[in-house]
Amino acid sequence: DTAVSQTPKYLVTQMGNDKSIKCEQNLGHDTMYWYKQDSKKFLKIMFSYNNKELIINETVPNRFSPKSPDKAHLNLHINSLELGDSAVYFCASSRGRRTDTQYFGPGTRLTVL
Amino acid sequence: TQLLEQSPQFLSIQEGENLTVYCNSSSVFSSLQWYRQEPGEGPVLLVTVVTGGEVKKLKRLTFQFGDARKDSSLHITAAQPGDTGLYLCAGVRGGETSGSRLTFGEGTQLTVNP
Repeated sequence: DTAVSQTPKYLVTQMGNDKSIKCEQNLGHDTMYWYKQDSKKFLKIMFSYNNKELIINETVPNRFSPKSPDKAHLNLHINSLELGDSAVYFCASSRGRRTDTQYFGPGTRLTVL
Repeated sequence: TQLLEQSPQFLSIQEGENLTVYCNSSSVFSSLQWYRQEPGEGPVLLVTVVTGGEVKKLKRLTFQFGDARKDSSLHITAAQPGDTGLYLCAGVRGGETSGSRLTFGEGTQLTVNP
């Protein structure tokens, strides 16, 4: 069984388009995260939700909007895509306590042309 | 911004050799985690070290947390090709009541040649 799943795996789109990435976890976790990994493999947190409430919002352009319809889902919507948005986006989840293990999804490789 | 510096950034060695990866920061973290990431997959947690000076072993991997909780090291003994991957350290900040804010290092790409 897949613990944290993301769709799509690959996303190729034109500049200016709007796109969404979906994430689902079946671990019963309370907290979910979005990370961005750039071409140099640097991984940086973007957002975190706990029980559908936004708790971490790093300095991310307003074009990025996370949405959590329920505890098991955290989607990422990106408006007006730019070339610099090209990266691998990872969803993760954890039980919610500070030292808990974060389980990462397989990633979505976004390429903006 | 609390930065974690990892070194070396790239490491290519022969099977059977030993290696050490370092993770350093000027900031104190409540705990530190090491992850391994393979191509096309997300990072997978290897270990969490919490106490200053703590040493944890995972088969041929030895993890150490610095006494001041600002740095950590990962030592691999008799490396094997299956150890090839991207190793990431991540500092966990204290204070949050829910969830954890991970600050990742830049990663060490390890290649073990047969």
